[in-house]
Amino acid sequence: AQSVSQHNHHVILSEAASLELGCNYSYGGTVNLFWYVQYPGQHLQLLLKYFSGDPLVKGIKGFEAEFIKSKFSFNLRKPSVQWSDTAEYFCAVVSGTYKYIFGTGTRLKVLA
Amino acid sequence: GAGVSQSPSNKVTEKGKDVELRCDPISGHTALYWYRQSLGQGLEFLIYFQGNSAPDKSGLPSDRFSAERTGGSVSTLTIQRTQQEDSAVYLCASIPDGAGELFFGEGSRLTVL
Repeated sequence: AQSVSQHNHHVILSEAASLELGCNYSYGGTVNLFWYVQYPGQHLQLLLKYFSGDPLVKGIKGFEAEFIKSKFSFNLRKPSVQWSDTAEYFCAVVSGTYKYIFGTGTRLKVLA
Repeated sequence: GAGVSQSPSNKVTEKGKDVELRCDPISGHTALYWYRQSLGQGLEFLIYFQGNSAPDKSGLPSDRFSAERTGGSVSTLTIQRTQQEDSAVYLCASIPDGAGELFFGEGSRLTVL
């Protein structure tokens, strides 16, 4: 069965630190990949997505992610985090079928 | 409204009672999903509706859970004889068609005492 692993469950950073959140999936075929973010008290919203083409995708608020097919990875990065980036981040995969599989999430806390 | 609407936003119930959670997707979105979000468990797929096709119920955790979607729009998730382990946030999402961005509602937080 397909699965998505997010290795970091809780991350605490100071403002201006760099961020990288890991995401690995298990599926050998063509995949579409997503990162969603849930700010405190808000609904889940799309941060960025990869369908095809350039494996380095840029999203909102300075976030980017790189799809490395050989490593089955889609890690999220941001060069310099802000206090307002405090949120929970979810990686998701959908392949061929419609079933979106989500990781367990990473809670990021940015200290001002 | 323009987004996915869920109600109630919060529901507290006693063990053994039945609950209904409602989702009103974005107009024109043909596909609708229900997920359950528990602390540390991520988003657990429950059920998927696509147009007039038979729903995929493979994620429903037990026969106490059921869902329907009337007229290809509003969906209701019903949990019968609630148990404490049913406590979670139940999220609804819709999508126009195919595999693209899921649009989520704010969720219904269920607490079973």
